[in-house]
Amino acid sequence: GNSVTQMEGPVTLSEEAFLTINCTYTATGYPSLFWYVQYPGEGLQLLLKATKADDKGSNKGFEATYRKETTSFHLEKGSVQVSDSAVYFCASREDSNYQLIWGAGTKLIIKP
Amino acid sequence: DADVTQTPRNRITKTGKRIMLECSQTKGHDRMYWYRQDPGLGLRLIYYSFDVKDINKGEISDGYSVSRQAQAKFSLSLESAIPNQTALYFCATSDPSGRAATQYFGPGTRLTVL
Repeated sequence: GNSVTQMEGPVTLSEEAFLTINCTYTATGYPSLFWYVQYPGEGLQLLLKATKADDKGSNKGFEATYRKETTSFHLEKGSVQVSDSAVYFCASREDSNYQLIWGAGTKLIIKP
Repeated sequence: DADVTQTPRNRITKTGKRIMLECSQTKGHDRMYWYRQDPGLGLRLIYYSFDVKDINKGEISDGYSVSRQAQAKFSLSLESAIPNQTALYFCATSDPSGRAATQYFGPGTRLTVL
């Protein structure tokens, strides 16, 4: 079946470091791709999304590009802050169904 | 005020007890979902509802039941709680805008079954 795989955490970085969290997907069609973020003690919220190949989603300094050739949607940020510490989830949804398929989540820890 | 609310936020119960988790939303969405979150497993879908009369099982519905009392309310019940149902439970809503639809989550209910 379809799946979403993201890098295991925790990922620990110093403030102002460059961030990459890898996400790859398998799908039979052309899914929409999402990054959700869960701050401590809160529910998930949408960070960014992309709906077709080569689209770039961006928000709060984070970016991710839909790469059909590598079936990837890696999350990047040029300079992380302590406030970016959270759990990040990659997810996909295909045309043929309504359900989101979730990655396992990657915990990000940013140290001052 | 929060768009998606969940009650209670925390609950400790004993094996065999019946538990109900409640979810309310003010977003006006028809679609509602219940997920559980376990460390390292991401989110798993328990049940979902596309309107008051349309309720569907998710990937892990065994041991759970739901009730959609109104467009704005969707409750999750554990008829006889067991320890491996200890988890963080989230309610979510979405609008029917196709495969790009955003899901909006409540703050979660942390359930511990002793």
